[in-house]
Amino acid sequence: AQSVAQPEDQVNVAEGNPLTVKCTYSVSGNPYLFWYVQYPNRGLQFLLKYITGDNLVKGSYGFEAEFNKSQTSFHLKKPSALVSDSALYFCAVREGSSYKLIFGSGTRLLVRP
Amino acid sequence: DVKVTQSSRYLVKRTGEKVFLECVQDMDHENMFWYRQDPGLGLRLIYFSYDVKMKEKGDIPEGYSVSREKKERFSLILESASTNQTSMYLCASSPYTGRWDTEAFFGQGTRLTVV
Repeated sequence: AQSVAQPEDQVNVAEGNPLTVKCTYSVSGNPYLFWYVQYPNRGLQFLLKYITGDNLVKGSYGFEAEFNKSQTSFHLKKPSALVSDSALYFCAVREGSSYKLIFGSGTRLLVRP
Repeated sequence: DVKVTQSSRYLVKRTGEKVFLECVQDMDHENMFWYRQDPGLGLRLIYFSYDVKMKEKGDIPEGYSVSREKKERFSLILESASTNQTSMYLCASSPYTGRWDTEAFFGQGTRLTVV
């Protein structure tokens, strides 16, 4: 069965510093991987996705994610964090042949001024 | 832009009531989903629909049903609301492309409290 793990409930980083939000996955076939962000009392907004090809994927708001097949990871990164990046981040995986998206438990990112 | 609209942002209902959560999307998407979001548990799939009148159970369908009479509308029904159904409910849609790489688009969520 497919699954997603986000090992950190919360990540704290100072504004201007690089940030990483971790995600590992488990699927039996080829994975399709997604990152979403949720601001308070809002729905989820799509950030980026990995389908195939280049292991470094660029997305919205300066975010990028690195796919590592051997480590089954898809970590979200940003070179320089902003206070406005503070939000809840979700990693999700879809296995081929299904429209179901499986989500991780979420990681709260706090960027301090 | 894709727009997924949920009819209510906040709802308060009494135990035992029948509750309807409505979701409408304006991009002619074939697939629609209902998730519930709880702290520490992430999003869990309740039901999804890949066509009008078609539905499949997700991971936590107990206590819920769904209706999709029109392509743009997907309703979640709590037959007899209970306090453990207090949660944030999120609707989403995605297009059918014949591939599995399309992202889902989410509504703003309905925070349901059952008292």
